[in-house]
Amino acid sequence: SAVISQKPSRDICQRGTSLTIQCQVDSQVTMMFWYRQQPGQSLTLIATANQGSEATYESGFVIDKFPISRPNLTFSTLTVSNMSPEDSSIYLCSVPRGLAGGPDEQFFGPGTRLTVL
Amino acid sequence: QKEVEQNSGPLSVPEGAIASLNCTYSDRGSQSFFWYRQYSGKSPELIMFIYSNGDKEDGRFTAQLNKASQYVSLLIRDSQPSDSATYLCAVTSYNTDKLIFGTGTRLQVFP
Repeated sequence: SAVISQKPSRDICQRGTSLTIQCQVDSQVTMMFWYRQQPGQSLTLIATANQGSEATYESGFVIDKFPISRPNLTFSTLTVSNMSPEDSSIYLCSVPRGLAGGPDEQFFGPGTRLTVL
Repeated sequence: QKEVEQNSGPLSVPEGAIASLNCTYSDRGSQSFFWYRQYSGKSPELIMFIYSNGDKEDGRFTAQLNKASQYVSLLIRDSQPSDSATYLCAVTSYNTDKLIFGTGTRLQVFP
């Protein structure tokens, strides 16, 4: 499985500010996914980040609020913009295992725990 | 109707017993099915996946899939206190890698 790291691991932010979360993978992957896990809830897909093209957002998530960059095949960032307390969540990136193991077995990074005051 | 449904639990079983976790899904086009384990404060960890009807065994874990009835289950044999966690069921549809997660079932294994 891929080794995935995320920065920061946690942060406490003031409302109205923005935070950029980084996701680094130790191997090249075509797709990277960003999920949100609100307190006591399951995971919800925010968007799919493809290298060389705009991210694809799920219903309820918009680019202005969650801009995503994917400059290369091993790295992506998710920005949470103009934060409010409702954005307090764990944000996780994930990557598929790859063709050898099946296209859709996904592995998750350690997550970024965000608290907005 | 939620796309992927699980009983939130908690499901409490004694050490050494079989824990049975169930999941139903609404999209008949679902192709791949996954069970993730998530310890409190940690990220999900993939423990089983299944693509075809029937049973798939891996150590103490058995995944069961019935596409006609649209359910997938996870059996944990010889349950251990270390198995205490939330178990998330996830599915993907045909030709997509997007995972749709259920709300998770919290399992408690008591000594």
